[in-house]
Amino acid sequence: EAGVTQSPTHLIKTRGQQATLRCSPISGHTSVYWYQQALGLGLQFLLWYDEGEERNRGNFPPRFSGRQFPNYSSELNVNALELEDSALYLCASSLRQGNQPQHFGDGTRLSIL
Amino acid sequence: GNSVTQMEGPVTLSEEAFLTINCTYTATGYPSLFWYVQYPGEGLQLLLKATKADDKGSNKGFEATYRKETTSFHLEKGSVQVSDSAVYFCARSSYNQGGKLIFGQGTELSVKP
Repeated sequence: EAGVTQSPTHLIKTRGQQATLRCSPISGHTSVYWYQQALGLGLQFLLWYDEGEERNRGNFPPRFSGRQFPNYSSELNVNALELEDSALYLCASSLRQGNQPQHFGDGTRLSIL
Repeated sequence: GNSVTQMEGPVTLSEEAFLTINCTYTATGYPSLFWYVQYPGEGLQLLLKATKADDKGSNKGFEATYRKETTSFHLEKGSVQVSDSAVYFCARSSYNQGGKLIFGQGTELSVKP
């Protein structure tokens, strides 16, 4: 069974640009989650999508947004990039019911120059 | 509040030593509890989980027991190997928390031959 896949592996941008990160969930999983892992800040919840809808959002500014497609894949968009957006962005997927475990991809390393 | 607290690292052990990584949580309701492991340059892998009080999760020689009375979920392994060197994250979820996982700060384990 294929795991959660993320692309690209690395992304280098400059301040003010826009970044798009992509995620394909495990087959059969309808929920997709995005987390930011920044140095010294730990893992912070960004967004949760299920059945194409945004279900919950973490404490991040509106320039962090995303969507989920009919095939349950997802993309995360970050506009007006700032230096502090440099981080590893992790996508996870799970079944929808209850407290199902989340399964993570290997992440996209976003570097802002 | 709703948080997860792990013992600080780094933890350095010799091969075949006994491992304990402490984790305590605060929560309203009855969260599910998880341990994830992150190897260098990779995403998070689910190591084990427990969904209710007194449940014991186990995998690859690692164990953790959901202790409601002490709100703890300590990770243990009887004999560590060099290949266990990684960062370990304790996490909790609750269906009422909008799907997100709340992570501890992570504990880096280094096992020396």
